[in-house]
Amino acid sequence: DAGVIQSPRHEVTEMGQEVTLRCKPISGHDYLFWYRQTMMRGLELLIYFNNNVPIDDSGMPEDRFSAKMPNASFSTLKIQPSEPRDSAVYFCASSRNRVVYGYTFGSGTRLTVV
Amino acid sequence: ELKVEQNPLFLSMQEGKNYTIYCNYSTTSDRLYWYRQDPGKSLESLFVLLSNGAVKQEGRLMASLDTKARLSTLHITAAVHDLSATYFCAAVNFGNEKLTFGTGTRLTIIP
Repeated sequence: DAGVIQSPRHEVTEMGQEVTLRCKPISGHDYLFWYRQTMMRGLELLIYFNNNVPIDDSGMPEDRFSAKMPNASFSTLKIQPSEPRDSAVYFCASSRNRVVYGYTFGSGTRLTVV
Repeated sequence: ELKVEQNPLFLSMQEGKNYTIYCNYSTTSDRLYWYRQDPGKSLESLFVLLSNGAVKQEGRLMASLDTKARLSTLHITAAVHDLSATYFCAAVNFGNEKLTFGTGTRLTIIP
């Protein structure tokens, strides 16, 4: 079990550029979550999917953010155009049996927008 | 809207001492989780608490849940340096899977 795999680990981009973050959940997990962590706002849920279908995107801060899950083994979070206030660590998490195992988090992507 | 509060935010304690981190949540929740995060690292699952009166222990950490009081505690016994980390509690709304995190407690164990 390789765990939840996120790429890239670090991303530095200029304001206005498009940024795409990637996540591969654990095989067999049917839920996938995108979180953002900042010092000021803590851990915020952006969106989550069940069986590849977006269930709740109320945490997506604005239209510049979009997320997709084209299949059970891959999800992307895109920011277009990026702004300095988007700088944060973005975590992907997946789960299968939340009652027993909880949610497994990836290593995160540290995004810096300059 | 479910809100989760932790206290204290910062905790500095000596090795060998005992202490408790508190987690309050605002509305009925059917699950309560505790996570650990080391600086620059991901979140590691510690405990899943499902029912009123649930108690789980792993090493020097013990978590409990009081659903009537909407309170969970994480008790640290005879602290050692390698327990230094940030600890988060998180709760889930009934009927959906939105895991809402508390602010975290940054624990520093001093030799």
